Amino acid sequence: AQSVTQPDIHITVSEGASLELRCNYSYGATPYLFWYVQSPGQGLQLLLKYFSGDTLVQGIKGFEAEFKRSQSSFNLRKPSVHWSDAAEYFCAVSGSSNTGKLIFGQGTTLQVKP
Amino acid sequence: EPEVTQTPSHQVTQMGQEVILRCVPISNHLYFYWYRQILGQKVEFLVSFYNNEISEKSEIFDDQFSVERPDGSNFTLKIRSTKLEDSAMYFCASSEAGQGFGYTFGSGTRLTVV
Repeated sequence: AQSVTQPDIHITVSEGASLELRCNYSYGATPYLFWYVQSPGQGLQLLLKYFSGDTLVQGIKGFEAEFKRSQSSFNLRKPSVHWSDAAEYFCAVSGSSNTGKLIFGQGTTLQVKP
Repeated sequence: EPEVTQTPSHQVTQMGQEVILRCVPISNHLYFYWYRQILGQKVEFLVSFYNNEISEKSEIFDDQFSVERPDGSNFTLKIRSTKLEDSAMYFCASSEAGQGFGYTFGSGTRLTVV
């Protein structure tokens, strides 16, 4: 069965520091992978997605993610975090379902220190 | 940018009452979804809807739940007899196509069952 694990429930970084949020997935074939961000009281906004091709994908707000098949990972990175990046981040996978159903990870809450 | 609109943003209902959560998907999208997020937990898939019928549903989506697209614009989720454990944020999403495409999520309806 498909699953997504985000090992870090809560991460705190200083503004301007680099960020990496971890995501591991379980799926037999090449999955479609997504990162979403949720600000308090808001919906889920798509940051980036990986379908195929270049394993390093660029997203909005300066985020990028790298698909590593050998590690079953799709980690999200940003070189310099801004205070406005404080939010909850969800990794998701879609693969076996023709309907495009997403399986989400538990989420990582990012806190940014001034 | 096109949006998925959900109403109401917050609904409080008594246990045993019926509720209808409403969504207006993006107009040229063909796939529609409901997800829920119980406080502090991951986002969970409930149901997908395509071509005027349910294409996939989760174990959560039991007989108490139903979905409908009553006209060309609205997509509704009905809970027939609400339980305390139905308290959650409910997200509607739509997609231009199914497998592998990123969705657009609405801002959610927070349902509180008392």
